[in-house]
Amino acid sequence: EAQVTQNPRYLITVTGKKLTVTCSQNMNHEYMSWYRQDPGLGLRQIYYSMNVEVTDKGDVPEGYKVSRKEKRNFPLILESPSPNQTSLYFCASSPRPRALDTEAFFGQGTRLTVV
Amino acid sequence: AQSVAQPEDQVNVAEGNPLTVKCTYSVSGNPYLFWYVQYPNRGLQFLLKYITGDNLVKGSYGFEAEFNKSQTSFHLKKPSALVSDSALYFCAVRDQNSGGYQKVTFGTGTKLQVIP
Repeated sequence: EAQVTQNPRYLITVTGKKLTVTCSQNMNHEYMSWYRQDPGLGLRQIYYSMNVEVTDKGDVPEGYKVSRKEKRNFPLILESPSPNQTSLYFCASSPRPRALDTEAFFGQGTRLTVV
Repeated sequence: AQSVAQPEDQVNVAEGNPLTVKCTYSVSGNPYLFWYVQYPNRGLQFLLKYITGDNLVKGSYGFEAEFNKSQTSFHLKKPSALVSDSALYFCAVRDQNSGGYQKVTFGTGTKLQVIP
């Protein structure tokens, strides 16, 4: 089954403790991205990747890092999480980054709480 | 800069009645427009998109959307609402003529509540 898989689905952590949220897709998509969803703000892009070893900042990259060493994986790293990073996070992929008419496939989300 | 507005945080409709979820957009060129649906505890799912051509676009689960260039709108519609349509709906836009890579901009979402 074609899917985008995020882990964990739920995470509670303490301020300053490094964490990684994994994202993997099995559709051989070139493009992957991370969003955070907050009430009243909709989805905001954190980082995106056009292909292996090609990443760039989205709208709200501060406090986050990403890597794209393999085509299928795109982990989101919070080096020193803070309470304002409490949010619902989504990973998404799509087949051709420059095909602007292509819809995205989303993971099920990771609900992160930083206390 | 591109933007999307969903003016209603929540829309309530009785089961069996027609529903409309509103979306307006702003781009410098021509738009690619998308609707996504998010059911509770799930990721976003693609519903439909407007690329070019016919202004009325049909999508999944009986939904359709009408592109209106003069009003810069892309409202989501369904002739007869089901309780199972209750979810969060997101409109999204991309500028066709941006040149190079252009990210998608999402609206803030509209919660649709279908009342039995």
